[in-house]
Amino acid sequence: DAGITQSPRHKVTETGTPVTLRCHQTENHRYMYWYRQDPGHGLRLIHYSYGVKDTDKGEVSDGYSVSRSKTEDFLLTLESATSSQTSVYFCAISEPDRGNYGYTFGSGTRLTVV
Amino acid sequence: AQSVAQPEDQVNVAEGNPLTVKCTYSVSGNPYLFWYVQYPNRGLQFLLKYITGDNLVKGSYGFEAEFNKSQTSFHLKKPSALVSDSALYFCAVRDINTGGFKTIFGAGTRLFVKA
Repeated sequence: DAGITQSPRHKVTETGTPVTLRCHQTENHRYMYWYRQDPGHGLRLIHYSYGVKDTDKGEVSDGYSVSRSKTEDFLLTLESATSSQTSVYFCAISEPDRGNYGYTFGSGTRLTVV
Repeated sequence: AQSVAQPEDQVNVAEGNPLTVKCTYSVSGNPYLFWYVQYPNRGLQFLLKYITGDNLVKGSYGFEAEFNKSQTSFHLKKPSALVSDSALYFCAVRDINTGGFKTIFGAGTRLFVKA
């Protein structure tokens, strides 16, 4: 999607290894989010950020950490990957301060933990 | 707590027929409601939103949604389905209790349109 990119698009990693996913935006939006998508669960919020160095937990934050050192970048780290973290991860941005309550999503990262 | 439910895992419809994808919500205040679509192997795209105003909201690709406060529903509709509408559809509600900065998604409804 225009203005928001995720990397990598696909990754296979081994159990117990750390993994970092990157979300980069060029829209200068204040709010950024990480969701995971699993069959039967829809999208569940992992962490979100409301500004540089300002982050908070979502409903499924255990085993994940995030960092936002610049407005444009939001990193998601799996401290020690487990098979239950095999999923598709989506980054999203929004700007509710300006009345933009909808999300723009990245194309997703498919992560497989073996 | 804010929540949204999509009672159907799958909806099947013939091309040219009208389609409806159902969504009900539970919020403590005025709802901010959304529909998103995910085409195969793609990210999610915004379809439409209801914040306030007319109960019938028009969105992208000919879709519309009807907000019904008494039934706490926000069903997605299209008068004439296309095969290309086959996708996964998510209803979502803004989580006002957390300042309105997070969105809660339903589990999704897979739409199959048969030629």
